[in-house]
Amino acid sequence: NAGVTQTPKFQVLKTGQSMTLQCAQDMNHEYMSWYRQDPGMGLRLIHYSVGAGITDQGEVPNGYNVSRSTTEDFPLRLLSAAPSQTSVYFCASSYDGQTQYFGPGTRLLVL
Amino acid sequence: DQQVKQNSPSLSVQEGRISILNCDYTNSMFDYFLWYKKYPAEGPTFLISISSIKDKNEDGRFTVFLNKSAKHLSLHIVPSQPGDSAVYFCAAETGGGADGLTFGKGTHLIIQP
Repeated sequence: NAGVTQTPKFQVLKTGQSMTLQCAQDMNHEYMSWYRQDPGMGLRLIHYSVGAGITDQGEVPNGYNVSRSTTEDFPLRLLSAAPSQTSVYFCASSYDGQTQYFGPGTRLLVL
Repeated sequence: DQQVKQNSPSLSVQEGRISILNCDYTNSMFDYFLWYKKYPAEGPTFLISISSIKDKNEDGRFTVFLNKSAKHLSLHIVPSQPGDSAVYFCAAETGGGADGLTFGKGTHLIIQP
């Protein structure tokens, strides 16, 4: 049981490039979400999903897209990276929508 | 406006003593509260939670207290151990939590030998 996995661990992008941050969980959790953590800001919710085929916006959704075609996977897409998207990104999953279990994170640097 | 506030960016405690981390919230719709622990370069790890219908929850060395009238909760760690040195985040949610958590900015706990 691997829990929540994220790839890549670290990525450098140039402004304007696109990329997809991968997130997978093997716990059969219906709820999944993406957060970003910036220095001194705590974690902020980007997008979340309550089940396959259902997604919604969180506190800071601009510049990001998500989809949920399977229960296991919840990728986060940056369509045109900006320096303001330099951050650490955490994916989380939950069986009850309350207690969330986090992956190890992806550190993203946009130049 | 920040809905979950952790006003102490850092806290230093001697090994073996009690660590008390505080958290205040402004949204009266929050009905479930959680504490997470985070080491550098790792994801947050769930520690303990409390429902708004309770005022205390205990799990080993960790106890969370909730004062709804004051919109305040605290995490007590007794006794504090070196491995407790980490950043602790307070988080809250509404309506069953399906729409995600609202986090505080965190408190860096340092356990001194």
